[in-house]
Amino acid sequence: SAVISQKPSRDICQRGTSLTIQCQVDSQVTMMFWYRQQPGQSLTLIATANQGSEATYESGFVIDKFPISRPNLTFSTLTVSNMSPEDSSIYLCSVPRGGGEQYFGPGTRLTVT
Amino acid sequence: RKEVEQDPGPFNVPEGATVAFNCTYSNSASQSFFWYRQDCRKEPKLLMSVYSSGNEDGRFTAQLNRASQYISLLIRDSKLSDSATYLCVVRVVLDSSYKLIFGSGTRLLVRP
Repeated sequence: SAVISQKPSRDICQRGTSLTIQCQVDSQVTMMFWYRQQPGQSLTLIATANQGSEATYESGFVIDKFPISRPNLTFSTLTVSNMSPEDSSIYLCSVPRGGGEQYFGPGTRLTVT
Repeated sequence: RKEVEQDPGPFNVPEGATVAFNCTYSNSASQSFFWYRQDCRKEPKLLMSVYSSGNEDGRFTAQLNRASQYISLLIRDSKLSDSATYLCVVRVVLDSSYKLIFGSGTRLLVRP
């Protein structure tokens, strides 16, 4: 099973600032996924990050707001830009697992004041 | 309409009870199906995959009806430790990729 770590685990940020979340995997993976889980809600896919190509964003999410980097096969970052209180969520990265399911990182709990 | 819909919950049951969760999906291109479990303030973790023939893992039984686009999870002899949110998840294959679509989850509370 893959071991996934995320940094930071939590943060409290002021509106208008940006936060970069890091996701590190202990093995090489082609695809990495970024999700958002708003309070009391389920997971919503933000984007798919493939190494060596631009991330693919889901409807409702744009690169200017959520820029993603994928410099190698074990690492990715998601930036939440120009934050507002509506961005308060848990942000999770995940990687594929054999059989079509995914492993999830522990999440980054973001509060925007 | 949501792509994956689940019973709203919460389900509050005594230890030892049998509880069933239902889920429907709307995308007929859905290829794989899963139940994930999410504990409070934790990440989701795979509970079990769901196969067309139905499958069982200990106290847990999953069923899939492709014609009705319906998935179920049955938990027998509930334990206190089963208290969690259960997420119905479908995998949709895209042109050169795939994505998982999550239901909103059903919360289960097992009481002593």
